[in-house]
Amino acid sequence: SYDLTQPPSVSVSPGQTASITCSGDKLGDKFACWYQQKPGQSPVLLIYQDTKRPSGIPERFSGSNSGNTATLTISGTQAIDEADYYCQAWDINTYVFGTGTKVTVL
Amino acid sequence: QVQLQQSGPGLVRPSQTLSLTCVISGDTVSSNSAAWSWIRQSPSRGLEWLGRTYYGSKWYKDYALSVKGRISIDPDTSKNQFSLQLNSVTPEDTALYYCARAYSAYDSAFDYWGQGTLVTVSS
Repeated sequence: SYDLTQPPSVSVSPGQTASITCSGDKLGDKFACWYQQKPGQSPVLLIYQDTKRPSGIPERFSGSNSGNTATLTISGTQAIDEADYYCQAWDINTYVFGTGTKVTVL
Repeated sequence: QVQLQQSGPGLVRPSQTLSLTCVISGDTVSSNSAAWSWIRQSPSRGLEWLGRTYYGSKWYKDYALSVKGRISIDPDTSKNQFSLQLNSVTPEDTALYYCARAYSAYDSAFDYWGQGTLVTVSS
């Protein structure tokens, strides 16, 4: 089976940049996407096709994907960005989710 | 604006069948540009995709290996909805279950999710 691994937690100060990685075998050969999930809420799509933002997603969220790693970057992190973040990719007729990263804004 | 409204029981007895329904508004289950999935979330397994159905000149269904043989996802065009049936459940199937849309223009990303249904498997 295909696995996507994320760091369990990332801490960031308000206004600073947070980077969340997602590692998988040859992930750069697939499209990666990213979701944000706040407590008690359904996931929200932040990034699709590695770098694209759906309408309504702030510009401070950006993505990249190369080699074995996809990265979600939050620039100018705000307190409202404190949440869980998940990567996801498609592999051989299966949607695969990452292990999730809790972002804490200190 | 697409909305997905889930319904179904929150408690299922072990060995019984878990059944959930997802009603679609703002799109159609037979859309050529969408696939309709069930996903669950638990502390032990994280987010886990269970399966999908989609229409492309005929109906297609794909299931995760972890639940294959126990799962069925069926579209209902008359009610514009799709359903999940998971047979022979055990306490390990206890999770928050979501329905979601994967939009083809977003290349398999889930752009709309249901509100979630907490299903507990217990006697």
